[in-house]
Amino acid sequence: GAVVSQHPSWVICKSGTSVKIECRSLDFQATTMFWYRQFPKQSLMLMATSNEGSKATYEQGVEKDKFLINHASLTLSTLTVTSAHPEDSSFYICRRGPGLAGANEQFFGPGTRLTVL
Amino acid sequence: QQPVQSPQAVILREGEDAVINCSSSKALYSVHWYRQKHGEAPVFLMILLKGGEQKGHDKISASFNEKKQQSSLYLTASQLSYSGTYFCGTEMNAGAQKLVFGQGTRLTINP
Repeated sequence: GAVVSQHPSWVICKSGTSVKIECRSLDFQATTMFWYRQFPKQSLMLMATSNEGSKATYEQGVEKDKFLINHASLTLSTLTVTSAHPEDSSFYICRRGPGLAGANEQFFGPGTRLTVL
Repeated sequence: QQPVQSPQAVILREGEDAVINCSSSKALYSVHWYRQKHGEAPVFLMILLKGGEQKGHDKISASFNEKKQQSSLYLTASQLSYSGTYFCGTEMNAGAQKLVFGQGTRLTINP
């Protein structure tokens, strides 16, 4: 069964609104979650690293005030796209890092497709 | 730095073999392989760690040549279910956990 869940699976919103995406680790506590964005027919681009109990680390060129990341617990990380615009429409996927037990396998969530009108 | 995958696309008939390569210009700690089907999230296939690992499952195997900073994914006797886009993700430092993905290789298997 799934070990990482995301909610919602898809969302359609109007330009200027904010959208929150949740990523949950279902089978063990994850100190780190990674957020990726994927445009059609392109690769997975890392946006930021979410660390439980501390500030997220953003990749170069990613606006931290636009893409707010919160990792409030060991099982939940959230990405909020603030004041979304059509160019933010994309497939957003979280990936769980190794858990406290240090397992090597790293799983993606099922993804959230965001469409901004 | 993004690893480079080759080829960009492959079209095979069912039962044929394929090799997908992933090269980095920097030293690597590990290489991860994923397969993504259209409209879905990538699915983890395997991880190869520094030390020249080779591993496989069913008819999919991979090798990691750390001297060449290169990994190859081998698909033998391909099945229709193997169709999808394959991504390698590279990790440069042990414990960093951060993966940078190649541009992907689109594999199409025809009956």
